[in-house]
Amino acid sequence: GAGVSQTPSNKVTEKGKYVELRCDPISGHTALYWYRQSLGQGPEFLIYFQGTGAADDSGLPNDRFFAVRPEGSVSTLKIQRTERGDSAVYLCASSSLGQNQETQYFGPGTRLLVL
Amino acid sequence: GNSVTQMEGPVTLSEEAFLTINCTYTATGYPSLFWYVQYPGEGLQLLLKATKADDKGSNKGFEATYRKETTSFHLEKGSVQVSDSAVYFCARTHSGGSNYKLTFGKGTLLTVNP
Repeated sequence: GAGVSQTPSNKVTEKGKYVELRCDPISGHTALYWYRQSLGQGPEFLIYFQGTGAADDSGLPNDRFFAVRPEGSVSTLKIQRTERGDSAVYLCASSSLGQNQETQYFGPGTRLLVL
Repeated sequence: GNSVTQMEGPVTLSEEAFLTINCTYTATGYPSLFWYVQYPGEGLQLLLKATKADDKGSNKGFEATYRKETTSFHLEKGSVQVSDSAVYFCARTHSGGSNYKLTFGKGTLLTVNP
C-alpha cells in the first residue's frame, strides 16, 4: 500500500521567503508527526497532531514555524521569513491507533535549502 | 528529560564480521525503544522495536534487547553484509499518553567492505 508521501522532495529558497512543505500520511493514520534532521544529526521532533489538532508543538523552534492539518489527513508545515539555519531535511511520520500506535512510518523527507 | 546516546561512528567492518552498536537511554517513564535505518539515498525505515523490559526485537538478522537495569538497547548482528551499509538510529518514545514522539540518537554510520 501507499506509504507516507512528502512534497516537494527538494526546495531551494532565498532567505526571508515563505515556504510550505506538505505531508500526506498513510490512509487512516490519525497521528502525524513532523521532525527536522540537520546534517549529521538524528531527527528532532517539531510537532505532533492527533486528528486535526496540534496536541504537542513543543518542538517548534520559534513562531516562524507553524503547521496545520485541517481535515485530519494532509498536513502542511509553514515556515515564514526563512533563515539559512532552517536548511535541513524535514520529515513527516504517521501512525495508527491501536496495537502498534507507538510505531511511526516515515516519509522520504523534504530537503530544504535556504540561500 | 528524555535522551538517547548511541555509539559514535563511523564504524567500518569487513563482510561477515560481528556488529554491535551501543545505545543507552535516560530512565524516565516506560518508553518503547527502536532502531531505525537509513540506507543511502532513502528515507528512515523501522528496523526493529521493543516495547517493554526484556523484550527482544529482531529483523533481518539484527537483534536488540530492552535492558531496563542498564538502560540499554544495543544493536547486534552476527554476520554483516555489504548491503547493511547505512546509518543506524536508536530512538525512544516520549513517556506520556498517546503522544509517541521520538527522541533519536545522533546516528551511527556503518560501512561494510567486501
